[in-house]
Amino acid sequence: GDSVTQMEGPVTLSEEAFLTINCTYTATGYPSLFWYVQYPGEGLQLLLKATKADDKGSNKGFEATYRKETTSFHLEKGSVQVSDSAVYFCALSPRGNYQLIWGAGTKLIIKP
Amino acid sequence: EAQVTQNPRYLITVTGKKLTVTCSQNMNHEYMSWYRQDPGLGLRQIYYSMNVEVTDKGDVPEGYKVSRKEKRNFPLILESPSPNQTSLYFCASSLFFQGARTEAFFGQGTRLTVV
Repeated sequence: GDSVTQMEGPVTLSEEAFLTINCTYTATGYPSLFWYVQYPGEGLQLLLKATKADDKGSNKGFEATYRKETTSFHLEKGSVQVSDSAVYFCALSPRGNYQLIWGAGTKLIIKP
Repeated sequence: EAQVTQNPRYLITVTGKKLTVTCSQNMNHEYMSWYRQDPGLGLRQIYYSMNVEVTDKGDVPEGYKVSRKEKRNFPLILESPSPNQTSLYFCASSLFFQGARTEAFFGQGTRLTVV
């Protein structure tokens, strides 16, 4: 069945470091891909998305590119801030299917 | 403001005492769902609803009930709560567009403790 695999956390970085959180998926066809972020004490909110191969989603300095050939959707940011500390979830929505398949989440800790 | 509202935010209850967690959305979304979030297990879907009077089981439905009498509301009912239902619960809603789910909007969460 369809699945999403994220790198395990926590990921701890210093402020202004470069961030990569890996996400790979297994799905038939061309799913839509999402990154959600959960700040402490809050619900999840959409960070960015991509709906077809080679699309790049971007928001708040974060980027992720839909790579069909490597079945990946890695999250990147050039210079992280303390306020980026949160849990990040990768998810996919199969085409023609109304479910969301979630990764396990990656906790990101940014130290000043 | 577009939002999903859950109540209560925090709840401590005793084993066997029926409770309801309410969820309401103001975006006219067809699709609504409930998740629980537990450490190390990520998000697991409990129930979902594709429209009024249409509900279906998710991955972990045991011990839960839902109803969808109106499009905006999707309450989660625990008829006889047990300690293993202690968790953080989220309600979410989204639209369908061209045969696919669009962005999911989440409530703030309900932290439930069953003693």
